[in-house]
Amino acid sequence: EIVMTQSPATLSVSPGERATLSCRASQSVGTNLAWYQQKPGQAPRLLIYGASTRATGIPARLSGSGSGTEFTLTISSLQSEDFAVYYCQQYKSWPPLTFGQGTKVEI
Amino acid sequence: QVHLVQSGAEVKKPGASMKVSCKASGYTFTGYYIHWVRQAPGQGLEWMGWINPNSGGTNYAQKFQGRVTMTRDTSISTAYMELSRLRSDDTAVYYCATLPTPGTQWLVDPRDYWGQGTLVTVSS
Repeated sequence: EIVMTQSPATLSVSPGERATLSCRASQSVGTNLAWYQQKPGQAPRLLIYGASTRATGIPARLSGSGSGTEFTLTISSLQSEDFAVYYCQQYKSWPPLTFGQGTKVEI
Repeated sequence: QVHLVQSGAEVKKPGASMKVSCKASGYTFTGYYIHWVRQAPGQGLEWMGWINPNSGGTNYAQKFQGRVTMTRDTSISTAYMELSRLRSDDTAVYYCATLPTPGTQWLVDPRDYWGQGTLVTVSS
């Protein structure tokens, strides 16, 4: 099983600032990596797939990078709607597909 | 347009079984695997398995092997997830979703559809 580790667990930032979230895989997943955003009481929403491709409707201020075992989600200028929990997920090796434990972005 | 609609909340006793439905609309049901993901209160996301709606083939996380059964009825574009021998730590919100799936249509034409979630509470 591939273990996904996200850091930090909580990221405190101010609106307009840049946020950098990290995700590490216990073994290479190539670019088979997705990022999701989840707000309280809602289902997750896909942000990025293929490590760096934005999903439909995702603004350009969100970007993904990395390959192999190290990945980053960057939010260039935080907006109020960006405060949420973010999860990475690998889909290289299954079962199981595995998620990171999440990073909470808060004010 | 709404794409995945799940059945309503349930309360179950330990040892019982639960069955959640997930009705698809607005896209070709057989074109995308349906995954089931659960989220315990205040916790992260946990993948349970997937079903190929076209063939009925399934793949389950080892953790749930022997307790979970995923099925589908293509005539009504609905997937089902049944979990047996429930325990208190099965209390969670259960989601169906079309997640990235290796070797499938998803990689050519990504679709991000999630159900609204079904809260299942296991309590005596």
